[in-house]
Amino acid sequence: KAGVTQTPRYLIKTRGQQVTLSCSPISGHRSVSWYQQTPGQGLQFLFEYFSETQRNKGNFPGRFSGRQFSNSRSEMNVSTLELGDSALYLCASSLGFSIQGEYEQYFGPGTRLTVT
Amino acid sequence: AQSVTQPDIHITVSEGASLELRCNYSYGATPYLFWYVQSPGQGLQLLLKYFSGDTLVQGIKGFEAEFKRSQSSFNLRKPSVHWSDAAEYFCAVKGGYQKVTFGIGTKLQVIP
Repeated sequence: KAGVTQTPRYLIKTRGQQVTLSCSPISGHRSVSWYQQTPGQGLQFLFEYFSETQRNKGNFPGRFSGRQFSNSRSEMNVSTLELGDSALYLCASSLGFSIQGEYEQYFGPGTRLTVT
Repeated sequence: AQSVTQPDIHITVSEGASLELRCNYSYGATPYLFWYVQSPGQGLQLLLKYFSGDTLVQGIKGFEAEFKRSQSSFNLRKPSVHWSDAAEYFCAVKGGYQKVTFGIGTKLQVIP
């Protein structure tokens, strides 16, 4: 079974631009979560989608948004990029979503975003 | 609210030595607990998880972890470390219907 895939793997953008990252979950998984990982802050939860609906949201500004499609693939978008948005963006998929007690997440390799 | 603490940011061990990575959590009841490993430039790989039952959990790559309710801990152990174990290790906690919260991570260096 193929794992979680994320595209692109690396991205360089300029301040003020916008970016879209893509995540394809493991086949059969219906939940996708996004995390931002930086050396100083660790893994910070962005949002979680299940059945095309956002179920949970972290404490990020409205410049960060996401969506999920009917095939469970997900995209996240960051508008008006800032230098501080440089990070590794990780996507994780799971069968269910966090309202279910027992569930585990499987992570993709991440997209390394550099904002200059 | 739930939280997780990994008190050691960096740990260095010699190859063949035993390893214990510490993890303490805060949650009003018994949470779900996870350990993940991340190699440079890679995503996170699940090593093991605790949902209920036996408090000693076996994982992949020879790792195990023990849940101790009285100490609110879920420490990761390996009897003999290999050079390929050098990576960053994350403890994570999930209380009931909440999202997963990750610790800050512990970087493991293995010296020959």
